[in-house]
Amino acid sequence: GENVEQHPSTLSVQEGDSAVIKCTYSDSASNYFPWYKQELGKGPQLIIDIRSNVGEKKDQRIAVTLNKTAKHFSLHITETQPEDSAVYFCAALPGGNKLTFGGGTRVLVKP
Amino acid sequence: SAVISQKPSRDICQRGTSLTIQCQVDSQVTMMFWYRQQPGQSLTLIATANQGSEATYESGFVIDKFPISRPNLTFSTLTVSNMSPEDSSIYLCSVAAGVDEQYFGPGTRLTVT
Repeated sequence: GENVEQHPSTLSVQEGDSAVIKCTYSDSASNYFPWYKQELGKGPQLIIDIRSNVGEKKDQRIAVTLNKTAKHFSLHITETQPEDSAVYFCAALPGGNKLTFGGGTRVLVKP
Repeated sequence: SAVISQKPSRDICQRGTSLTIQCQVDSQVTMMFWYRQQPGQSLTLIATANQGSEATYESGFVIDKFPISRPNLTFSTLTVSNMSPEDSSIYLCSVAAGVDEQYFGPGTRLTVT
């Protein structure tokens, strides 16, 4: 089955700096890659996603890149703000509807 | 997207008892899922809740421990049976909406003493 590795597990950045989280996946059949943000005491929130026919996608301060050849995808957050502090999860969908999640990255934005 | 609610939001239960968690969606959806998130961990799929038929369980999860109902396209329940402290987790329901997107409820925080 699919296996998703996520790095780093924790990330501390200064407010205004950029944050990058990287994920690798194992199943070449995976064609959908969402990112979720989970704030303390809340459920995961879908913040951005990318499909296999696209190399990059942006939404304001967040962007995701996908390299299908290397089987990795990354989340980029620019101009980080304290409200970006949360746990971020990447996931991959190898067909069907069963998402496989990475281990999560705890992001702390220091003011 | 879809608006998902869960009840209860949190509970503290004694070992050996059972808890039923409800998940309500604001629109009809075909696919509903139940996940477990152990403290500080990632999300693990428990089962897919199928409307009108038995749920499909993932490896390591069994119906006797986690019975699931899906009486219609907007509602599902997950029961955690004969609980032990190891069952202390966040239980999340999610729904598939759109092409591939999945949206999560707020979760039920369960503590077993």
